[in-house]
Amino acid sequence: NAGVTQTPKFQVLKTGQSMTLQCAQDMNHEYMSWYRQDPGMGLRLIHYSVGAGITDQGEVPNGYNVSRSTTEDFPLRLLSAAPSQTSVYFCASRGGWGITDTQYFGPGTRLTVL
Amino acid sequence: GNSVTQMEGPVTLSEEAFLTINCTYTATGYPSLFWYVQYPGEGLQLLLKATKADDKGSNKGFEATYRKETTSFHLEKGSVQVSDSAVYFCALSSGNTPLVFGKGTRLSVIA
Repeated sequence: NAGVTQTPKFQVLKTGQSMTLQCAQDMNHEYMSWYRQDPGMGLRLIHYSVGAGITDQGEVPNGYNVSRSTTEDFPLRLLSAAPSQTSVYFCASRGGWGITDTQYFGPGTRLTVL
Repeated sequence: GNSVTQMEGPVTLSEEAFLTINCTYTATGYPSLFWYVQYPGEGLQLLLKATKADDKGSNKGFEATYRKETTSFHLEKGSVQVSDSAVYFCALSSGNTPLVFGKGTRLSVIA
């Protein structure tokens, strides 16, 4: 199994450009999340989804959109990139919201906004 | 709300030294507790977990015990290796919510 995959691995954008970070999982997990990781800040939750067609905001949702049309895919859209969105982005999936369920992470996308 | 506090790094140790990384939490109900590890250039991997009070999670020589009375889940290893150099994250899961993470502790082990 591939687990959780993310593309691209690296991306450089100019301020104001838009792009979509792709995330896919092949474990038939219902729950998927997007986090950003910044130095000294740990992981902060951007958006999450509890199943196809259902999304919700996390701690830092501003500037990002998500949709969940299939169980497998959970893309993250930046509509107008800003330098403050320079970060490493991780997608994660989880079989259930049960407190014992393990969360699996993708390898990350390193985004730089100039 | 739920939160996790872990000791600030970086932590630098010599090979074969004893490691402790402190983690305390605040949560409603009875959460599950996790330690994740992030090696350079990679995503996070589950290291160990404990799902109820007094449980001990263990993996790769690392251990952590779920202490409800002190709301703690400290990570320990008796003899660290250079290959243990990574960032370690404490996290909790409580009810119907995504994982909440601490800010991470960077560990560097020198030969």
